[in-house]
Amino acid sequence: NAGVTQTPKFQVLKTGQSMTLQCAQDMNHEYMSWYRQDPGMGLRLIHYSVGAGITDQGEVPNGYNVSRSTTEDFPLRLLSAAPSQTSVYFCASSYKWGVETQYFGPGTRLLVL
Amino acid sequence: AQTVTQSQPEMSVQEAETVTLSCTYDTSESDYYLFWYKQPPSRQMILVIRQEAYKQQNATENRFSVNFQKAAKSFSLKISDSQLGDAAMYFCAYRGINDMRFGAGTRLTVKP
Repeated sequence: NAGVTQTPKFQVLKTGQSMTLQCAQDMNHEYMSWYRQDPGMGLRLIHYSVGAGITDQGEVPNGYNVSRSTTEDFPLRLLSAAPSQTSVYFCASSYKWGVETQYFGPGTRLLVL
Repeated sequence: AQTVTQSQPEMSVQEAETVTLSCTYDTSESDYYLFWYKQPPSRQMILVIRQEAYKQQNATENRFSVNFQKAAKSFSLKISDSQLGDAAMYFCAYRGINDMRFGAGTRLTVKP
């Protein structure tokens, strides 16, 4: 049982490049989400999914796309990277919404030059 | 939109002493959940304690307890018998119907 895994751990991009941050969980959780963490600002919700085929926007969705074709995977796509997207990205999952414990991945550190 | 405010950017406590971290939030929702997360230097987010808004009884997990004041929209975390391993960033979080908000965090230092 690996929990929530994220790849890569660290990535450097040039402005305008695209990339996909991978997130997978093996706990059969319905709910998955992506956050970004910037210095002094805590975590902010980017997108979330309540089940396969269902996604919705969080607090800061602009510049990011998501899809959820399977229960296990929830990739985050940056279509055209910008320096403002330099951040640490966390994926999380929980069995359901509400009080259920969210399990976080180890994070992906992204630097956009 | 819901907001979460942690007014103490940094706190310090002596080992074995007690410390309280403050958190206030703003919401118009009646059904929500509140959490405290710990983030050590490893960056891993670890759930410390959680509280359902409809429950009046304050949550407790070993040395960690909360003071939940729903009317005042306050959710403070008390750490008793502080240990060196408690040193970390602590984030207060609000989970509503379709939203999850975190405070900016409080950095806790534990002095031996």
